Amino acid sequence: EVQLVESGGGLVQPGGSLRLSCAASGFTFSSYWMHWVRQAPGKGLVWVSRINSDGSSTSYADSVKGRFTISRDNAKNTLYLQMNSLRAEDTAVYYCARGGPGSGYYSDYWGQGTLVTVSS
Amino acid sequence: QLVLTQSPSASASLGASVKLTCTLSSGHSSYAIAWHQQQPEKGPRYLMKLNSDGSHSKGDGIPDRFSGSSSGAERYLTISSLQSEDEADYYCQTWGTGIGVVFGGGTKLTVL
Repeated sequence: EVQLVESGGGLVQPGGSLRLSCAASGFTFSSYWMHWVRQAPGKGLVWVSRINSDGSSTSYADSVKGRFTISRDNAKNTLYLQMNSLRAEDTAVYYCARGGPGSGYYSDYWGQGTLVTVSS
Repeated sequence: QLVLTQSPSASASLGASVKLTCTLSSGHSSYAIAWHQQQPEKGPRYLMKLNSDGSHSKGDGIPDRFSGSSSGAERYLTISSLQSEDEADYYCQTWGTGIGVVFGGGTKLTVL
């Protein structure tokens, strides 16, 4: 059974940093693209970032480019999101998602999410 | 610009069928999409990947009541024999090389 479990969320002050983790199990992690998607309170889903299977290629939404860094450790079956210079508008539930087979751009499994609150 | 448009809300009666629509922006009518369901207070759940020709591949455990179809720039999700647990937000997602990943605004489905 595919499982994705996010952790690392919490309350952080504006300008602060946080690192999210996503522990993957039930599939060959090193064979799949992975994504981070966020959802502000009461709002819709917004794609944040993706990384290819070996970590050699990444891309970001314009809203987080230069502030967030996606990475992965295939030996530990873990995906990360390093978030720096956090702003109030980054407040959201952050989901990790697996890229689908064939085209890794869409998401075929999701975690339960971790809440990040940016506030003073 | 790659944009997905969804109606904010839809409703249908218990046991009936409903067809949700996701519209691709001009110039992108050949793009595939994915449909996702998000029940209240839960993470999203992948339903299916839907191609421009209407062929689709569903996620693990997705009931036959969920089906997809396509016409031009429109992508549809049809849910038949509506059940109370189908009350949820439904999102479409698309992507493009060099464009990134885009979600529609979501449709809130109410089962009456």
